[in-house]
Amino acid sequence: DAGVIQSPRHEVTEMGQEVTLRCKPISGHDYLFWYRQTMMRGLELLIYFNNNVPIDDSGMPEDRFSAKMPNASFSTLKIQPSEPRDSAVYFCASRPLASSTDTQYFGPGTRLTVL
Amino acid sequence: AQSVTQLGSHVSVSEGALVLLRCNYSSSVPPYLFWYVQYPNQGLQLLLKYTTGATLVKGINGFEAEFKKSETSFHLTKPSAHMSDAAEYFCAVSDSSGGGADGLTFGKGTHLIIQP
Repeated sequence: DAGVIQSPRHEVTEMGQEVTLRCKPISGHDYLFWYRQTMMRGLELLIYFNNNVPIDDSGMPEDRFSAKMPNASFSTLKIQPSEPRDSAVYFCASRPLASSTDTQYFGPGTRLTVL
Repeated sequence: AQSVTQLGSHVSVSEGALVLLRCNYSSSVPPYLFWYVQYPNQGLQLLLKYTTGATLVKGINGFEAEFKKSETSFHLTKPSAHMSDAAEYFCAVSDSSGGGADGLTFGKGTHLIIQP
């Protein structure tokens, strides 16, 4: 298995532009999570999905952020418009339903820089 | 609400010395506890986890952690540090009441430095 795949690995954009981050979870995993990592706040959960349905988006910082999961093998996190304070590493993780104690598997992350 | 506190943002040890990374948590329900490692420019990799049962948990790369309910701690140890252990280590907690379905709450991380 290729693991969790994220693209792009690096993104540099200018303030005000729309940014779309992509994630392909491990096949067969029912849960998908989006996290953000910054120096100031560490790793924060933004939103997670179960069977493509958003379950908890309370961590999404503001309306500029949106996430979708149109099918079991693809999710996007969109920021529109982007701001310099959105600069961070964004991680996607997936987890199977088989056991509630199962491990979350993380992708390599997307490093976003907003100028 | 859950929270995780990792004492020491940076820990430096000599190669061959004991590694001890501290983690304390707060949770209103029995927690599931995890340690993840992050190497530079990579995603997080699970080292070990505690769910139920034996409180001493062994993980990969010679690491282990002990769940102490009375101290609300889950410290990570390794008897002898290796240069390849240099990385960022994260302690995380998950709420067991929801079947562990919720996302993880992470500590701020501890950067482990290995001195030759």
